[in-house]
Amino acid sequence: AQKVTQAQTEISVVEKEDVTLDCVYETRDTTYYLFWYKQPPSGELVFLIRRNSFDEQNEISGRYSWNFQKSTSSFNFTITASQVVDSAVYFCALLSSGSARQLTFGSGTQLTVLP
Amino acid sequence: SQTIHQWPATLVQPVGSPLSLECTVEGTSNPNLYWYRQAAGRGLQLLFYSVGIGQISSEVPQNLSASRPQDRQFILSSKKLLLSDSGFYLCAWSTGLLYEQYFGPGTRLTVT
Repeated sequence: AQKVTQAQTEISVVEKEDVTLDCVYETRDTTYYLFWYKQPPSGELVFLIRRNSFDEQNEISGRYSWNFQKSTSSFNFTITASQVVDSAVYFCALLSSGSARQLTFGSGTQLTVLP
Repeated sequence: SQTIHQWPATLVQPVGSPLSLECTVEGTSNPNLYWYRQAAGRGLQLLFYSVGIGQISSEVPQNLSASRPQDRQFILSSKKLLLSDSGFYLCAWSTGLLYEQYFGPGTRLTVT
């Protein structure tokens, strides 16, 4: 069975603060993929990143960075110098190469960046 | 570039009425297609996915059905809506089952 846990339901920060969104996953498969999506108030889910289980290198894209640690089954997402436009619900998701082959989403974290 | 369209954007339907939501993808061929429902409280639930024309896999039992009459068209239907069918319906596509999915703008359905 697959499971993704995003323990932070809501986070509120002031603009320019750094914020980290936590994601913990469970899977029995050795080959799997992890994703982050952003859902702004408009509703459309926007793809941010995909990582496979064999690549533990951290990734940075502008103000976004991701920390993948297989030892703790975590795939955390950090926004540096947050902006009001970062306000959204962020979803972590897991896809295993096993029989499930369906994207399992966490429950999401509502991030509010205050001006 | 690829784009995905959904319509209608919003829909208010009475209980017992039929439903038809449409999703089309442009700029790619033979995509995998997906229907999700997002109820209040954010959880995303996979309803159906399709790897090709006429090939539909159902993930949860419900009174909804899906069809894929053309390569880049995916339709979600119901013969009789229930109150519990209310939610935000998202269509998505991917190049393969193990790749990232790209989502459409969604349809907000309210069953009254």
